[in-house]
Amino acid sequence: QSVLTQPPSVSGAPGQRVTISCTGSSSNIGAGYEVHWYQQLPGTAPKLLIYGNIHRPSGVPDRFSASKSGTSASLAITGLQAEDEADYYCQSYDNSLSGSVFGGGTKLTVL
Amino acid sequence: QVQLVQSGAELKEPGASVKVSCKPSGYIFTGYYMHWVRQAPGQGPEWLGRINPNSGATNYAQKFRGRVTMTRDTSITTEYMELSSLRSDDTAVYYCARSELRHDRWFDLWGQGTLVTVSS
Repeated sequence: QSVLTQPPSVSGAPGQRVTISCTGSSSNIGAGYEVHWYQQLPGTAPKLLIYGNIHRPSGVPDRFSASKSGTSASLAITGLQAEDEADYYCQSYDNSLSGSVFGGGTKLTVL
Repeated sequence: QVQLVQSGAELKEPGASVKVSCKPSGYIFTGYYMHWVRQAPGQGPEWLGRINPNSGATNYAQKFRGRVTMTRDTSITTEYMELSSLRSDDTAVYYCARSELRHDRWFDLWGQGTLVTVSS
């Protein structure tokens, strides 16, 4: 059972927009800790996609964006492409656990 | 090339220990914390803890305290994670991942992962 809650799956057609939610609590996202997002392609390690709630590392397309409000955060992907098919994870810090916590992951299927 | 290279897959019996290594290259080793994260089949990542490469100070997730030990060998710039008293539910891919010392909030580089299988 992951500390951060994500929907198990989302899907969309090429060119469409999808969003992935990440729900936490008052000891992590709600306490003001930042949310970061990772993309994991099959058989590979997670790759940093968004850091500090909204920032994209160099090389990440601007089709990926994110936001945070209250105890939740959200990742949006516009102009869906086949190569976006992957698992997506959110991550934050939890002060009751005194460490990093992750979501259970969301599998994105491009129809 | 900036990368983290981990040791190979391990098969262990229940009750045994496993030690996984992670060798950074292409960047200043002492500028980043090294974290260890595991991912069981079909599950989300789970944080085990971190080590400060300068002081060797460690912080472990509550769940793993008493079973996990993180160390580093500065002479060969390699970091290690040892997990003891292995159980079947410790079967997972174990990753090392770095975070900058100045913020230590996100993981911007991950190793390729080491599959640890616990089975009799």
